[in-house]
Amino acid sequence: AQTVTQSQPEMSVQEAETVTLSCTYDTSESDYYLFWYKQPPSRQMILVIRQEAYKQQNATENRFSVNFQKAAKSFSLKISDSQLGDAAMYFCAYRSLRSYNTDKLIFGTGTRLQVFP
Amino acid sequence: DTAVSQTPKYLVTQMGNDKSIKCEQNLGHDTMYWYKQDSKKFLKIMFSYNNKELIINETVPNRFSPKSPDKAHLNLHINSLELGDSAVYFCASSQRYSLSGNTIYFGEGSWLTVV
Repeated sequence: AQTVTQSQPEMSVQEAETVTLSCTYDTSESDYYLFWYKQPPSRQMILVIRQEAYKQQNATENRFSVNFQKAAKSFSLKISDSQLGDAAMYFCAYRSLRSYNTDKLIFGTGTRLQVFP
Repeated sequence: DTAVSQTPKYLVTQMGNDKSIKCEQNLGHDTMYWYKQDSKKFLKIMFSYNNKELIINETVPNRFSPKSPDKAHLNLHINSLELGDSAVYFCASSQRYSLSGNTIYFGEGSWLTVV
């Protein structure tokens, strides 16, 4: 079974600085998707960025980028020019598309990001 | 337009009661899910449906009964509520091998408190 590990329960960053959130996963599959979701205090789950495992190029979305290391099974999120609105819980998630029976998101335990002015 | 909407957003009820949460998606997706987020913020899948057919039932007590009248709707009925059922329940949807990159989209969550 696949697992997702986020080893940093909490992180903090100064406004305008850069922070990196770590995520590792375990799988025997070769084709899968990885996601980072943001959950602000409102509890809404907001997609930040996604990465297809078959793509070598790291995904980027404005100030958010990932460092995807397939061999190492690592998927870290880098937030550049941090803003106060980035403060939230961040979840790393894995999705298998091998079959409908395995089609679900497996989440890490989350990293709470604080942003200081 | 809200892509995945669920009602009610907040629900406080007594132990032993029966309650339902409704979910609708207007994205044309063929797969819908229920996830539970516990008090420690841990998120775990409960059920998935594809075109109204139950696919995943992740060892959830049979007091929880999902129903999908059509592929745009997935409701969750909970019988004989217990204190441990207090959580945030998220509905979600996706379309496999779609242009959206196989993203799973979430509703805003339904906060259930059992007293």
